[in-house]
Amino acid sequence: GDSVTQMEGPVTLSEEAFLTINCTYTATGYPSLFWYVQYPGEGLQLLLKATKADDKGSNKGFEATYRKETTSFHLEKGSVQVSDSAVYFCALRYTGNQFYFGTGTSLTVIP
Amino acid sequence: DAGVTQSPTHLIKTRGQQVTLRCSPKSGHDTVSWYQQALGQGPQFIFQYYEEEERQRGNFPDRFSGHQFPNYSSELNVNALLLGDSALYLCASSAGTSGLYNEQFFGPGTRLTVL
Repeated sequence: GDSVTQMEGPVTLSEEAFLTINCTYTATGYPSLFWYVQYPGEGLQLLLKATKADDKGSNKGFEATYRKETTSFHLEKGSVQVSDSAVYFCALRYTGNQFYFGTGTSLTVIP
Repeated sequence: DAGVTQSPTHLIKTRGQQVTLRCSPKSGHDTVSWYQQALGQGPQFIFQYYEEEERQRGNFPDRFSGHQFPNYSSELNVNALLLGDSALYLCASSAGTSGLYNEQFFGPGTRLTVL
């Protein structure tokens, strides 16, 4: 079945460090891929998305490229800030609205 | 625009009781989806409502039911609560049920604790 596997956390980085959070997926078709972020006490917010192979989603310095050959959608940021501390979820979705989420990766950025 | 709102924020129930959670979608949205997020896990899809009917359902028992009202707001009902139902329940709204480009907006969730 369809599923998403994310790198286990928690991840702790110093400010201005490079971030990579790995995400791979299993899908029977050609889904859209998403990264959502959840700040403490809040709901999920869309961070970025890609709808087809080789698309690159980007937002707020974060990037992820839809790699069909490796079934991956790794999240990267060149220089993290304390305000990036949150839980990050990778997800896939087909044309309906049902999302399949990974288990989340907690990121803590220390000054 | 208030975005997606959910009530209550927190709720404590005992096993066997019934609970109702409420969601108001973002202005202009007509589709509501519900998710269960257990501690340390990603959200799991429960079901989706559009035009006051359940359109899609995830792998959840019949104890989980819902309703959508003419103003597009929605309720999630859980009967015969189990300890394992303790979770954050998220509501998400969107414009329409399909399409790759219609974004889902999530509410802050209702934290349900079953004792």
